[in-house]
Amino acid sequence: DTGVSQNPRHKITKRGQNVTFRCDPISEHNRLYWYRQTLGQGPEFLTYFQNEAQLEKSRLLSDRFSAERPKGSFSTLEIQRTEQGDSAMYLCASSPPAGVQLNEQFFGPGTRLTVL
Amino acid sequence: GENVEQHPSTLSVQEGDSAVIKCTYSDSASNYFPWYKQELGKGPQLIIDIRSNVGEKKDQRIAVTLNKTAKHFSLHITETQPEDSAVYFCAANRQAGTALIFGKGTTLSVSS
Repeated sequence: DTGVSQNPRHKITKRGQNVTFRCDPISEHNRLYWYRQTLGQGPEFLTYFQNEAQLEKSRLLSDRFSAERPKGSFSTLEIQRTEQGDSAMYLCASSPPAGVQLNEQFFGPGTRLTVL
Repeated sequence: GENVEQHPSTLSVQEGDSAVIKCTYSDSASNYFPWYKQELGKGPQLIIDIRSNVGEKKDQRIAVTLNKTAKHFSLHITETQPEDSAVYFCAANRQAGTALIFGKGTTLSVSS
């Protein structure tokens, strides 16, 4: 499968614990995005990278959230001191480099986080 | 910033009927409008998109229309099938490779 992959698919944690999610984009894609989706809502943008550079962060990305893409390939999203309000599906997407298809974002299956 | 409104929130049709989902956007600089289909437990899947330099695009049973003056765009599904049942999201952005702003979704149910 050459699509976007995310691990783990499900994570249950207790309030106050730290969690880390991983995203592996489509191999030739240089842009990588993180979104959050809560029940009954559309995905909400969190942050995106071009190669290893983090180019934009949403106001939704509080200081408890940090994302990295150290070698311009896979990315990690860490949430520190989790709160019940962090419970959501965390989606990763990637898009190809310059050209007409730059806009097209392809999503992974998501990581569902439940904070007890 | 951009705001995308989508309606209806739910839509039920009989197999073989057509389904239409409508979205409006607020930022006149937006120039890319994709539609995604999301099935239960899966990530959104890009099904069709349109750029602001065209008014309509068709791919087999699905089509998207764009009215830049009115700032709205629509998804049309003809000859619906039960496997079309899913949540559909519209989105918009103003610059290639940046954040997509999504609508709240439409749950489409196709009954046989």
